[in-house]
Amino acid sequence: EAGVAQSPRYKIIEKRQSVAFWCNPISGHATLYWYQQILGQGPKLLIQFQNNGVVDDSQLPKDRFSAERLKGVDSTLKIQPAKLEDSAVYLCASSLTDSSYEQYFGPGTRLTVT
Amino acid sequence: KQEVTQIPAALSVPEGENLVLNCSFTDSAIYNLQWFRQDPGKGLTSLLLIQSSQREQTSGRLNASLDKSSGRSTLYIAASQPGDSATYLCAVKPQYIFGTGTRLKVLA
Repeated sequence: EAGVAQSPRYKIIEKRQSVAFWCNPISGHATLYWYQQILGQGPKLLIQFQNNGVVDDSQLPKDRFSAERLKGVDSTLKIQPAKLEDSAVYLCASSLTDSSYEQYFGPGTRLTVT
Repeated sequence: KQEVTQIPAALSVPEGENLVLNCSFTDSAIYNLQWFRQDPGKGLTSLLLIQSSQREQTSGRLNASLDKSSGRSTLYIAASQPGDSATYLCAVKPQYIFGTGTRLKVLA
């Protein structure tokens, strides 16, 4: 069974530029999550999708971050414009359905904003 | 507001030792608790998932317990090996709150 795929693995941009991350969850997993992990901290949930609908985006900085999950499969997370404090690893995870099931994580995208 | 704490922040032990990692949470209204390991520069690997109705789960040399009433979970690692060196994270749901992790180093 293929795992959660993410791209790119690394990205360096200047502040005020825009960037997009892509995630392909495990086949058949209805729930998809995006997390932000700042160095030395645990992951923080940004947004949770159930199929193509948003379940929770309470911690997503909506003035600069956006995410979509078209057709309930792949997802993209965008930052526009980026700030220095956005430097972090962005992790995508998926689970079979709801929170009662295990989450499986992708390798992450390391973003550096200069 | 749910808060998750992991103690100790870092731990160094000689190979072969049994060890316990701790995870504490402030709100006992959880669905489940999941333990992960994270290797440097990599994503998280699921180790064990304990449902709120369960007291413990075991996988190989790992045993995780859950005491909702006291807001605690422990991850027991038996006969530690250098390959166990990683950061161990716990997370509680439905809040999807993670602890900051315990950085474990097992010395050969």
